[in-house]
Amino acid sequence: NAGVTQTPKFQVLKTGQSMTLQCAQDMNHEYMSWYRQDPGMGLRLIHYSVGAGITDQGEVPNGYNVSRSTTEDFPLRLLSAAPSQTSVYFCASKTVGTENSPLHFGNGTRLTVT
Amino acid sequence: GDSVTQMEGPVTLSEEAFLTINCTYTATGYPSLFWYVQYPGEGLQLLLKATKADDKGSNKGFEATYRKETTSFHLEKGSVQVSDSAVYFCALSDPTNAGKSTFGDGTTLTVKP
Repeated sequence: NAGVTQTPKFQVLKTGQSMTLQCAQDMNHEYMSWYRQDPGMGLRLIHYSVGAGITDQGEVPNGYNVSRSTTEDFPLRLLSAAPSQTSVYFCASKTVGTENSPLHFGNGTRLTVT
Repeated sequence: GDSVTQMEGPVTLSEEAFLTINCTYTATGYPSLFWYVQYPGEGLQLLLKATKADDKGSNKGFEATYRKETTSFHLEKGSVQVSDSAVYFCALSDPTNAGKSTFGDGTTLTVKP
């Protein structure tokens, strides 16, 4: 019953450092996505993917890269961390082909950039 | 573009009170509508959904009806419990927008004994 697994749960970075947030799902979902959650701003879509080898930008993609080499994994890379990237990051997945499929979320990664 | 507007919070209620959290949406297509709930320290999880006009989604005593004429999907519960304290998000999935989901800002509910 793993579902969507995110690692790490917490991370502190210094400005300019790089890191990768990991996301893996075991439900064979084609669609995977990354959101950031900030107080009073709900969830904002960073990047998403509708299948292996396919990625696209969401609402707030700047400063983040993604790749999708397998169906299961969808890592999010911060190339040069900035304090504005302090946030809680959620990975979510769902099946495609039916628009009423709900998203399945991981438990989040809380990132602090100093 | 798509958007979801939720009733601003936080909302504080006494146990057994009636709950309404308002949600209205704008979409270019004919979206599916969802309510998600987030408990402290966890990710969001689906509470209920509705996929077409006049559909009623329900789960754990919560209900919401898809109203196309008013573009609304208000969440209701007749008698809240302390365990319902959480953040509630209204969301839509637009089939004309690559199935991407758009979320409201969330409403924090606190239920006091």
